[in-house]
Amino acid sequence: AQTVTQSQPEMSVQEAETVTLSCTYDTSESDYYLFWYKQPPSRQMILVIRQEAYKQQNATENRFSVNFQKAAKSFSLKISDSQLGDAAMYFCAYRSGRGGADGFTFGKGTHLIIQP
Amino acid sequence: EAQVTQNPRYLITVTGKKLTVTCSQNMNHEYMSWYRQDPGLGLRQIYYSMNVEVTDKGDVPEGYKVSRKEKRNFPLILESPSPNQTSLYFCASSPGRGTDTQYFGPGTRLTVL
Repeated sequence: AQTVTQSQPEMSVQEAETVTLSCTYDTSESDYYLFWYKQPPSRQMILVIRQEAYKQQNATENRFSVNFQKAAKSFSLKISDSQLGDAAMYFCAYRSGRGGADGFTFGKGTHLIIQP
Repeated sequence: EAQVTQNPRYLITVTGKKLTVTCSQNMNHEYMSWYRQDPGLGLRQIYYSMNVEVTDKGDVPEGYKVSRKEKRNFPLILESPSPNQTSLYFCASSPGRGTDTQYFGPGTRLTVL
C-alpha cells in the first residue's frame, strides 16, 4: 500500500516570503500522480497543483511550484510571495495510475500560517 | 456550473439512528468516492465506486454502506451511527479511468452524540 508523509504539522512564514512544504511518499509503482490540495477555513478542498510521475519537468501554477524528485520519492510545494489568502491546511496526495481503486492516499496535512 | 453537492452540510444525531448523506455530481463522472477527515489523520477513503452498481471498500469501511444506482448519485449510509463516526465527510468524483483529478464536494460535518 502507498503511504504519504508530511513531516511538518505546522509551518509559519512572513507575508511576501517563500515557504516550502515537504511531502514524501512510498510506492512500488512507476505510473502515478501527485497532488497538493489546499483546505482553507471554509473546509473546501481546492486543487493547487498536480504532477504526473512520467513527466520530469516540475509543475508550476503561478506562485506555486513543486520540486519533484522521483528517485527520492519527494514532492515538495514551494509557495512564492506568500499572501494572507494562502493560510490553510495543505494536503499532499498520491494516486495510482494503474486504474482500479480510484481513491487518493493523503498525507496528514501541514497547517500553513501567514504572518502579516 | 460543474459541481459536487452534498446534503446535509451539518448534522447532529444520536447513536443508533440511521442516516444518509447524499452526494450528487453533474459532470457525468464515472468515479465517485467517500472520505472522512479527522484531525491529525488527514483524509481517509471509506468507499469508492467505479461505475453504476460497482462499489468497493476503501481503507475505513466499517460502519458504512454505499450504493450507486445512478451515475450521478453516491449516497453514504450509516445504519447505526456511533460517536466514533463523528467526523467531516467529503464526497469526490473524477471523470474516468486514467484521469487524475478528483473534484470534492463542500463537506458534511457529522456529530453523533
